[in-house]
Order: sequence, then C-alpha cells, then structure tokens
Amino acid sequence: SAVISQKPSRDICQRGTSLTIQCQVDSQVTMMFWYRQQPGQSLTLIATANQGSEATYESGFVIDKFPISRPNLTFSTLTVSNMSPEDSSIYLCSVGGVGSYGYTFGSGTRLTVV
Amino acid sequence: QQQVKQSPQSLIVQKGGISIINCAYENTAFDYFPWYQQFPGKGPALLIAIRPDVSEKKEGRFTISFNKSAKQFSLHIMDSQPGDSATYFCAAAPVGSQGNLIFGKGTKLSVKP
Repeated sequence: SAVISQKPSRDICQRGTSLTIQCQVDSQVTMMFWYRQQPGQSLTLIATANQGSEATYESGFVIDKFPISRPNLTFSTLTVSNMSPEDSSIYLCSVGGVGSYGYTFGSGTRLTVV
Repeated sequence: QQQVKQSPQSLIVQKGGISIINCAYENTAFDYFPWYQQFPGKGPALLIAIRPDVSEKKEGRFTISFNKSAKQFSLHIMDSQPGDSATYFCAAAPVGSQGNLIFGKGTKLSVKP
C-alpha cells in the first residue's frame, strides 16, 4: 500500500490567516482525498482531487475556503483560508480504493486556530 | 441518505475479553465495509475490510461479521489487549466509489489490564 507523508503535523494559527497542508505519496495515484476530523468526531470528506482537473467538493465545503492543488500524481495541497476557531480540526489526506489495500491515510495535520 | 450508524460510542473491556462494535447502514449500494483503528495523534489505519459476498472475515484476533439482509456488520476483537485501546471507525463505500468513504462516528475502546 502507498505511504503518505503529510506536513505540517500540527500548527497553531491566528484567525484570519491561511495554512497550506502538503500531502506527498510514494507512488503515483489517480485520486487523492482530503478529510476533516473535528475534535472527538468522525471523518468527513472535504474534496476529491484528480490530477489535471478541478477538485470536486462535498456539500458544505467550497473552493474559496479550501482551495486544493494537484500538480502531479504524487502530490497535493489543501489550503485552509481565512481561518476561524471553527476550523480547528485534524485534516487528513488519503489515497487508495476498494480492494486489498483499501484507503490509506496520512498521519494528519492538527490545526488549532486562536 | 448515506449514513453509517455505529455503536457503542465507548466501550470498556477487561484484558482477554471480547470487544464488539456494531455498525448499521441503509444504502444498499454500499459494497465495501472497512474498519479503521486510530490512535491519538495518528491517522486512521485500515484494520480489516469485507465485501458483501461473504458473511465473515477473520484476520488474527479481528473478525468482521456481516449480515447483508439486516444491513449490519460488526467488529469482534478477541482476547482484547491494552494495546488495542484506540478509537475504531466503521466505514462504507458505494459501488464504483471513487473514494467517498462514509464513516461511522467512532467507538473509543479502552482495554483494562
């Protein structure tokens, strides 16, 4: 299965600023996924990122708030823009699919907005 | 509506006991049912997964039981150990899914020595 490196692992940010989270995969993958996990909660899909096309956002998430880049088959970034305390969450990237290896998750970025 | 309902929210088991976590779904288009284990500060890690063409899958101490007619599936952890203390998430993905795993709300398992 793929190995995902995600950074930063954690950050404390001021409200109104933006943070870009990077996700590097050790193999080429068609699709990458970004999830949010609010404190003590489950995971919610933010968007799906295909290389060479616009990301597809789930209901409740918009591109202006969570712009995503997918410049190649091994890398993606998620930016959390104009942050507020409500954006304090763990953000995770994921790759994979249905099958033997399933979906693999990065270790996450723990974001605290103050 | 695509939902996966997971219970219990928390579970305390004595070392050596059996931990059982249950999930139920409504969408019959789901055809992939994984379980994830998450330790604090870590991303979820795939534990075991099942497709609806089998009723049970076992890997070591971990077993998934699947009841297609009842639209329920469960995780059994045999001989539970303190190292199993973590949060467990069930999930489901629909036929032809391109990544949209639908997660349950999670179960925090504590195994007491």
